[in-house]
Amino acid sequence: DADVTQTPRNRITKTGKRIMLECSQTKGHDRMYWYRQDPGLGLRLIYYSFDVKDINKGEISDGYSVSRQAQAKFSLSLESAIPNQTALYFCATRETTDTGELFFGEGSRLTVL
Amino acid sequence: GQNIDQPTEMTATEGAIVQINCTYQTSGFNGLFWYQQHAGEAPTFLSYNVLDGLEEKGRFSSFLSRSKGYSYLLLKELQMKDSASYLCAVMDSNYQLIWGAGTKLIIKP
Repeated sequence: DADVTQTPRNRITKTGKRIMLECSQTKGHDRMYWYRQDPGLGLRLIYYSFDVKDINKGEISDGYSVSRQAQAKFSLSLESAIPNQTALYFCATRETTDTGELFFGEGSRLTVL
Repeated sequence: GQNIDQPTEMTATEGAIVQINCTYQTSGFNGLFWYQQHAGEAPTFLSYNVLDGLEEKGRFSSFLSRSKGYSYLLLKELQMKDSASYLCAVMDSNYQLIWGAGTKLIIKP
């Protein structure tokens, strides 16, 4: 089993629908991140969390919200999906160090029609 | 603004050597990462450089020059499985990662 698991892996939805992407990890890391990846662009940070009580906005948080339900779980929500949120979304974890490597989930491909 | 530049695409031959360059302009510097990403898969960590010089790890090496804002990833003895995108990322003064768009490496037999 993967250390960082994302569900769903693929989702097609319609404009205006609420969508939740879930991430769970077995690495025991405190730090968790949500990124989106678009063709021709670098990974962009949406939200990150250093522990259950610490949630921070990234560079593109508008239109998204997150919930850190436990150390191992970090969910990303799109309250009202729009087509330009069509992208590949990655969850990642990191040890409690600023310069450690990121461990990514397999990705969730979201299409908003 | 902060910027990471790397070539969009490169082609190389199996068994050869290829160098993928990355130049950066960021607010401060706390290290540079290289990740490999196969199509449709998650990025995986390759290397981290924070001091100038060359770090060798098997067939892969990564070089950093902080004064020039420049890094490269060197892949030797290329194999078909090395066909992937290679992502350069710089950690700025706030310990935020700034990502390049990635270099798609195509390996031909």
